[in-house]
Amino acid sequence: GAGVSQSPSNKVTEKGKDVELRCDPISGHTALYWYRQSLGQGLEFLIYFQGNSAPDKSGLPSDRFSAERTGGSVSTLTIQRTQQEDSAVYLCASSLSGTGEYFGAGTRLSVL
Amino acid sequence: AQKVTQAQTEISVVEKEDVTLDCVYETRDTTYYLFWYKQPPSGELVFLIRRNSFDEQNEISGRYSWNFQKSTSSFNFTITASQVVDSAVYFCALSEARYSSASKIIFGSGTRLSIRP
Repeated sequence: GAGVSQSPSNKVTEKGKDVELRCDPISGHTALYWYRQSLGQGLEFLIYFQGNSAPDKSGLPSDRFSAERTGGSVSTLTIQRTQQEDSAVYLCASSLSGTGEYFGAGTRLSVL
Repeated sequence: AQKVTQAQTEISVVEKEDVTLDCVYETRDTTYYLFWYKQPPSGELVFLIRRNSFDEQNEISGRYSWNFQKSTSSFNFTITASQVVDSAVYFCALSEARYSSASKIIFGSGTRLSIRP
């Protein structure tokens, strides 16, 4: 597609449930990033992929968070046993070396 | 460790005034990239500029200009003749520059800019 696509745009879940957030990067972009933005806050780095590899997972808040990328394209961020503090907007970005990073519209996650 | 500081949390100016958003960074990398992003009320982050640490030339794009000074580790952003549509949160960011591969981007906490008519 023309831009970075994230789905769902909104997700409401109950505490303790698992959720999967999806990111479709711009075609051909080798790098893919996940960030989290809590209400009124800045962006918190979670993980990035170069191809299918994740050289830096240092931002994942806990072992309840995991991410994978397949075929150098689509990525899924999974949060297990969601907690209320996981409520935030989860942003995905992609880039091709030498260009800027382009962000999706985000998935707004609400954990009740 | 890398760090980006945007000391101005909120700025409010009247339309047509010039406004400068400050950004100070810390890094031990010899090569790095600096960025500015705009996040309007709609929420989607818009890429504005990327600057390589080797390139200290100032850049102008329409009403936007950027002043990169390595000596003071600053990468300030100026909007000339501000307009209401410039109202947004602006983020400065930093990443290590690696040949043909990505690295994580560290964001500042953002500056909320409000332009009053």
